[in-house]
Amino acid sequence: RKEVEQDPGPFNVPEGATVAFNCTYSNSASQSFFWYRQDCRKEPKLLMSVYSSGNEDGRFTAQLNRASQYISLLIRDSKLSDSATYLCVAPSGAGSYQLTFGKGTKLSVIP
Amino acid sequence: DAMVIQNPRYQVTQFGKPVTLSCSQTLNHNVMYWYQQKSSQAPKLLFHYYDKDFNNEADTPDNFQSRRPNTSFCFLDIRSPGLGDAAMYLCATSRDPYPGGQAKNIQYFGAGTRLSVL
Repeated sequence: RKEVEQDPGPFNVPEGATVAFNCTYSNSASQSFFWYRQDCRKEPKLLMSVYSSGNEDGRFTAQLNRASQYISLLIRDSKLSDSATYLCVAPSGAGSYQLTFGKGTKLSVIP
Repeated sequence: DAMVIQNPRYQVTQFGKPVTLSCSQTLNHNVMYWYQQKSSQAPKLLFHYYDKDFNNEADTPDNFQSRRPNTSFCFLDIRSPGLGDAAMYLCATSRDPYPGGQAKNIQYFGAGTRLSVL
């Protein structure tokens, strides 16, 4: 099983839609997770951190299910500017400061 | 204000000609990382420095080397670039305040250097 697996995408959604991305991780000892956003040919930038059951920041909600080793990212009221690749990120091991990145899910928000 | 700065942003080199990419940070983070990212792929960790300690990933080719002369700077040296080394190279930093614990380590990335090999 790959360490971090994401929906392959791409997701093409109209403006205003709600879209959800899923991610599974293999290391059951992991406690903190991240969603990064990466625009085309740019560097990854932190979108959200998830340390407990979930986190909400405006239109973005991240949820964590430790029993199923599953993380999700929900984007409500999609904007054109949300078009990007979203990377799910988990620690590489228990107590590890290193991170493993998923391959990312590409989102295109269409007018 | 950029906190992790990579130079150059674009680098073109010839097959087999050594190249050095640089990274500097103003965050005073103790960990610095080098990733390679190819199109539509996840960033792949090449190696990292925890303070002065160098940690190489098992599958990183010997062609890739790194130096960290001080806390602020880290270099990636590609001794003999091949066509397959064309990629985006990303430098990142983080702070590990709790060695051995589950630190809430956020990694901050530089803008990357896009390497082309002719």
